[in-house]
Amino acid sequence: GIQVEQSPPDLILQEGANSTLRCNFSDSVNNLQWFHQNPWGQLINLFYIPSGTKQNGRLSATTVATERYSLLYISSSQTTDSGVYFCAAGSPTSGNTGKLIFGQGTTLQVKP
Amino acid sequence: NAGVMQNPRHLVRRRGQEARLRCSPMKGHSHVYWYRQLPEEGLKFMVYLQKENIIDESGMPKERFSAEFPKEGPSILRIQQVVRGDSAAYFCASSPGTGGPYSPLHFGNGTRLTVT
Repeated sequence: GIQVEQSPPDLILQEGANSTLRCNFSDSVNNLQWFHQNPWGQLINLFYIPSGTKQNGRLSATTVATERYSLLYISSSQTTDSGVYFCAAGSPTSGNTGKLIFGQGTTLQVKP
Repeated sequence: NAGVMQNPRHLVRRRGQEARLRCSPMKGHSHVYWYRQLPEEGLKFMVYLQKENIIDESGMPKERFSAEFPKEGPSILRIQQVVRGDSAAYFCASSPGTGGPYSPLHFGNGTRLTVT
């Protein structure tokens, strides 16, 4: 099955700094999503982005499917951005479903 | 428009007891997914259900775990004879189906199971 690897595993930023989180996947995907798990454990969907680029406020994401990676950009980071960021991928063999393989996550701490 | 509702938020069981976790999908959604997050690990797919059908249970442990999504009512994840290793956060997500354009996956707030 698909392997999903995220880097870096941990990241500490000063408030206001920018960062880039990376997600590599081992095979073709028809589904690629980014999630934020906040310190209370809630999982929030940030992007559904199997290819191309999307932006939502200070966050943007780019997936280059042919090169099997996705990037999540956080600009002007805030303390509320702290938490764990997960990348998750779905295989075409799973069809058009929500069966996803999650990476191990990047733990982000933003200091005031 | 209520999101995915899970209850209880926290559940404490003693070893050997049964745990029942409930999930009500978003309005209009007929597909439900269960994921488990073990301490210090990422999320792992467990099972994918449609109303009255299990579509994919490839991530479910072979013993003690079962899931259902009846015609009426919430989806239930049932764990029999719980052991300490079952302590985890269990998340449910729903989607409208596979017939149309794919939708992002939205999760409930999870049930945190603690086995003592």
